[in-house]
Amino acid sequence: QPVLTQPTSLSASPGASARFTCTLRSGINVGTYRIYWYQQKPGSLPRYLLRYKSDSDKQQGSGVPSRFSGSKDASTNAGLLLISGLQSEDEADYYCAIWYSSTSKVFGGGTKLTVL
Amino acid sequence: EVQLVESGGGLVKPGGSLRLSCAASGFTFSSYSMNWVRQAPGKGLEWVSSISSSSSYIYYADSVKGRFTISRDNAKNSLYLQMNSLRAEDTAVYYCARDRDSSYWGQGTLVTVSS
Repeated sequence: QPVLTQPTSLSASPGASARFTCTLRSGINVGTYRIYWYQQKPGSLPRYLLRYKSDSDKQQGSGVPSRFSGSKDASTNAGLLLISGLQSEDEADYYCAIWYSSTSKVFGGGTKLTVL
Repeated sequence: EVQLVESGGGLVKPGGSLRLSCAASGFTFSSYSMNWVRQAPGKGLEWVSSISSSSSYIYYADSVKGRFTISRDNAKNSLYLQMNSLRAEDTAVYYCARDRDSSYWGQGTLVTVSS
């Protein structure tokens, strides 16, 4: 079982909200980790969006709009990326990541967002 | 403005070697850890290696341990990745990224391992 699991795809309408999940493998407590989120548009380099551990330990990437936010769902052991007010330009692949054991960074498989 | 520019990619035969470089500008290079992250064609992101600001701490993914070597030259504002014993599965775009957040990324350089 992978360390981080992301749904392969997500669809949402313009103006709506999108909720991305990043589920940590059983036995790895989401509360312990900073969850990083990256956006990658087709043919482009990845872009750092934000990191979230708690409401007191979070950081927005440079120039990233506040409609992108992070959260956690302890009940499902998942990190969350929330995008409100979806725009067509938000269509992209979204990756989560953690520093697992502090010495090894692990990425999730990515979720493709379609805005339709 | 933070800039990271990778170079050194190309076509190499299995078992061959290649050295990637990443030229950094727009920030105090010697103050930040650096990373290499790769992306195989049509696939997701895979962390490869990280090096601390003074090179005291170096980490590798299991998939490259013993074959790849990360290094840096703070006087030249440059990051390197020496890749030996290359395999077909190392074919990917290789990105350098700044700090543990990977808050800034370069455009990437394509490495193709094929006979």
